[in-house]
Amino acid sequence: DSGVTQTPKHLITATGQRVTLRCSPRSGDLSVYWYQQSLDQGLQFLIQYYNGEERAKGNILERFSAQQFPDLHSELNLSSLELGDSALYFCASSAADSPAAYEQYFGPGTRLTVT
Amino acid sequence: KNQVEQSPQSLIILEGKNCTLQCNYTVSPFSNLRWYKQDTGRGPVSLTIMTFSENTKSNGRYTATLDADTKQSSLHITASQLSDSASYICVVSGGNAGNMLTFGGGTRLMVKP
Repeated sequence: DSGVTQTPKHLITATGQRVTLRCSPRSGDLSVYWYQQSLDQGLQFLIQYYNGEERAKGNILERFSAQQFPDLHSELNLSSLELGDSALYFCASSAADSPAAYEQYFGPGTRLTVT
Repeated sequence: KNQVEQSPQSLIILEGKNCTLQCNYTVSPFSNLRWYKQDTGRGPVSLTIMTFSENTKSNGRYTATLDADTKQSSLHITASQLSDSASYICVVSGGNAGNMLTFGGGTRLMVKP
């Protein structure tokens, strides 16, 4: 158990809808990272937050947004969903703001299915 | 362009056998290299992390090597077990944009009895 929690575990929704994925980092970790992993694909970095502020952006679509709250939990919002958004979405946390300097601990993921 | 290439894409071995997975990268400047194990449908779990000055690191039956000159790393698994069946992901941090992570596509290992 990494100490990172994600809810829900599974989500099934229709095209055009909007969903929110939630992540709670390990106790004491200030950074939260979001990743997308499509079927049989590698992990794609989406976005990083550190202590409430956006720190880095990867291949995140404009239809997607995220935020980190004062209690350090984070939410990833996906809107106008398309079939191609079906994927596993992982959250990871680390102690500091540099993704290189500290270990990242991954949550169990949320499996999103868009029908 | 920062890239991490892993080979082979997939591998099948018999239980008890050894295997070696390869990772080549072009990330520069280099900060560190990590190997993760990802069971199907689960989050990746860190196996090793190596900096420029380290050329080998072990974690139980897993041994990672790093050659920073040739920009190559390998992950050697000794006496494989059925539970080793998973994807193994090489991740390199560094690059001109700062300490970003570049992920390899992974090697899918299947250990058969």
